[in-house]
Amino acid sequence: VQLVESGGGVVQPGRSLRLSCAASGFTFSTFGMHWVRQAPGRGLEWVAVISYDGPNKYYADSVKGRFTISRDNSESTLDLQMNSLRPEDTAIYYCAKDFGEITHQHLFDYWGHGTLVTVSS
Amino acid sequence: DIQMTQSPSSLSASVGDRVTITCRASQTISTYLNWYQQKPGKAPKLLIYAASSLQSGVPSRFSGSGSGTDFTLTISSLQPEDFTTYYCQQSYSTPLTFGGGTKVEIK
Repeated sequence: VQLVESGGGVVQPGRSLRLSCAASGFTFSTFGMHWVRQAPGRGLEWVAVISYDGPNKYYADSVKGRFTISRDNSESTLDLQMNSLRPEDTAIYYCAKDFGEITHQHLFDYWGHGTLVTVSS
Repeated sequence: DIQMTQSPSSLSASVGDRVTITCRASQTISTYLNWYQQKPGKAPKLLIYAASSLQSGVPSRFSGSGSGTDFTLTISSLQPEDFTTYYCQQSYSTPLTFGGGTKVEIK
């Protein structure tokens, strides 16, 4: 299993950024996928989950209405569209694979290396 | 939202010590509790799921117990590579939430 995030960088408050995660080594289309973030020197915060087939999505209250999770099972990729970014969104963003096949278990058995997003003017 | 409270936030121990970290949920979560280890600059690693099931490849010195609201992670004999940070996480309901972390330091 390999998960490789990309798309991080420095962005001004109020702007947008799109993160991607390329998955390999497992049947991507049968597992839910998550984004989890970690602010510098802080703990872990779950951001969003998408079902294996795409229609079911859930978000943390802190990002609801601003972030959108999506996936392309034909390409084995997971995305996170982040709009109206705030300084408090500054974090390393990890994509993570759900433990359960088809049925969410809501725990994370494989993680990417993370991509750093810095929101600053 | 379910709040997860870990204690202690840090502890000092020696190689070979038995260490216990606790995690308390703000409401009952049955056994929907998982433990992760995170080393500096690295992604977290799943250690224990469903409160007491050892993830494949994880050394048997790690164990978990508990149900309802109170859970523990035990390391039976600390090894040098175990001095790092541990997080609990509830998988009972969204939003999924983590404890604040416990840093295990060398005494």
